[in-house]
Order: sequence, then C-alpha cells, then structure tokens
Amino acid sequence: AQSVAQPEDQVNVAEGNPLTVKCTYSVSGNPYLFWYVQYPNRGLQFLLKYITGDNLVKGSYGFEAEFNKSQTSFHLKKPSALVSDSALYFCAVRDVGGYQKVTFGIGTKLQVIP
Amino acid sequence: GAGVSQSPSNKVTEKGKDVELRCDPISGHTALYWYRQSLGQGLEFLIYFQGNSAPDKSGLPSDRFSAERTGGSVSTLTIQRTQQEDSAVYLCASRSSGTGDGNTIYFGEGSWLTVV
Repeated sequence: AQSVAQPEDQVNVAEGNPLTVKCTYSVSGNPYLFWYVQYPNRGLQFLLKYITGDNLVKGSYGFEAEFNKSQTSFHLKKPSALVSDSALYFCAVRDVGGYQKVTFGIGTKLQVIP
Repeated sequence: GAGVSQSPSNKVTEKGKDVELRCDPISGHTALYWYRQSLGQGLEFLIYFQGNSAPDKSGLPSDRFSAERTGGSVSTLTIQRTQQEDSAVYLCASRSSGTGDGNTIYFGEGSWLTVV
C-alpha cells in the first residue's frame, strides 16, 4: 500500500524567511510525487510534481521541492516566504508501477507571519 | 469549461435524505477521481474511474455511497440516507491519459455538504 506522511500539522515562518514543509512517502515501486495548495474555501491547486529526471523540481509561485530517494522524502521549499503563501499544503504520491490511485497526506497548514 | 466543474457548490440536507453531487471533468480527461475532505482531515479517496474500465470503488465508506460516470465524461456521486458524519467537502478531480501532463490531477472547487 502507498502512503504519505506530513509530520507537521502547522508550520510558522516569518515573512521573508525561507520555508520548508516536510513530506515522506512509501510506495512499492517508483513514485510520482506532487504538491498541492488549498486556500480557504477553495479546491486544491497543483503546485509542482516529480516524475523523473532532476531531483530538484521548480513549480508555481516560486516553490520548489527536492526528491530524495534514499530518504523517501519530497520536502517543499521556498527561499523567501510571503504572507500570501499562508494556506494548507498537501503532498501526494502515486506508484509509477500501475495502481492509479493518488494518495494524499493529511496536509500542513503554513502560517506566514508579517 | 476550462477546469473541473462541480455542482452544487453548497448543499444543506436533512438527515435521511438522498443527495447527488455532480462533476464535469476537463474535456478529454479520461480519468476521474472523487475524494472527501472532512473538517481538519486530509483527503480520503472514494472512487476512481479510468475510461471504460471497471471503477475502483475501494474507498467508498459504505453501501450508501455510489458513483457512476456516463459516457466517459460527467460523474455523479450519490449518497443515500445521509448521516451527519457525511458532512464534508466532496472533491472531484480529473487527469488526462497522455504523457507529460497526464500525471497531474486537477481538482474542482468542491461540493460542500452539510447534513442537519
């Protein structure tokens, strides 16, 4: 079975500081990995994905994530946080091998403090 | 439309009534997913449709829940005899089958269901 862990319910960071939102995963084969963001009372918006190739993936709004196979991690990062980045962030995984279900983590609330 | 469209956006229903939630995926997308998001919870997988294949219903929480997808496009999620614990946001998502972007699922804005 595939799974995703987001160990932090909430991350607080000061505006202008770098931010990291953690994600680890478990799949039987190779993973496709995703990050989504959810603003209040909205659906989920796609941020970025890792499929293959470079371990550092760049996405929307200045976010990036690094795939680390040995640590089975896919942490989301941004060099300088904005107050408007405050939202709920979800990590997700799908097994490349065939099963099509996309499994999501429980989400991490990011609070950027002015 | 350009994105995944869900209706109704909000629904308040009395306990015991049946509800239907509709999802119109992105045109040409062959895969369609339903998820449920309860207050303070992550996304719970409900059901997955891929083309003409039999759907993966492994996430449906009880036999009160069912879903169908007509003509490989629009999908309807039906909840019979609603209970208060069914109150949640029901999110639909779709994905193309092509390479590249075919790995990304795109979500609608959700249907907010409140059972009173």
